[in-house]
Amino acid sequence: GNSVTQMEGPVTLSEEAFLTINCTYTATGYPSLFWYVQYPGEGLQLLLKATKADDKGSNKGFEATYRKETTSFHLEKGSVQVSDSAVYFCALRSSGSARQLTFGSGTQLTVLP
Amino acid sequence: GAVVSQHPSRVICKSGTSVKIECRSLDFQATTMFWYRQFPKQSLMLMATSNEGSKATYEQGVEKDKFLINHASLTLSTLTVTSAHPEDSSFYICSALPLDSLAGEQYFGPGTRLTVT
Repeated sequence: GNSVTQMEGPVTLSEEAFLTINCTYTATGYPSLFWYVQYPGEGLQLLLKATKADDKGSNKGFEATYRKETTSFHLEKGSVQVSDSAVYFCALRSSGSARQLTFGSGTQLTVLP
Repeated sequence: GAVVSQHPSRVICKSGTSVKIECRSLDFQATTMFWYRQFPKQSLMLMATSNEGSKATYEQGVEKDKFLINHASLTLSTLTVTSAHPEDSSFYICSALPLDSLAGEQYFGPGTRLTVT
């Protein structure tokens, strides 16, 4: 079956530090990959997505590249801000008929001023 | 665009009563909506897939008679927690899959915090 493995948190960084949150997946075929962000007490917001190998999703300074050879979709940001503090979820949707998303366990990021 | 609302955002009810949570896609149509449950500091657990005009598909271990789902239109799905008990206290989140979505991205509501006393 499908699965998503995320880097365990929590991650604590200083403002303007470089961020990497690792995400690897197991799936058949060619899944679509997503990063969602959840701020405290809120639902999830779609941060970025990629639908095929070598695609790079980007939004708000965050980037992730779909690497089929390593089955990875690591999230990066060059300079984090305090407002980036949240929980980040990696997710995939398989290329079959199933419409469900498979989520990773989430990574808590705290950015200190 | 792609906004999903949930109502109420927070509800407290007494044990044995029923609570209805609404999920609406505000600016797009969705034949499929999903209901999740999230425990503190944990990932989302899919409870059921709600399809417009047909019965919901429940995940293993989720009681369909306890968590009633109705998807009456292309923009509205409701989850009713019947005969609620304290162990049903949780954060419930819905999501909607746009009709024209190619990648399959879901858009999430802000969540409903249910507390059963």
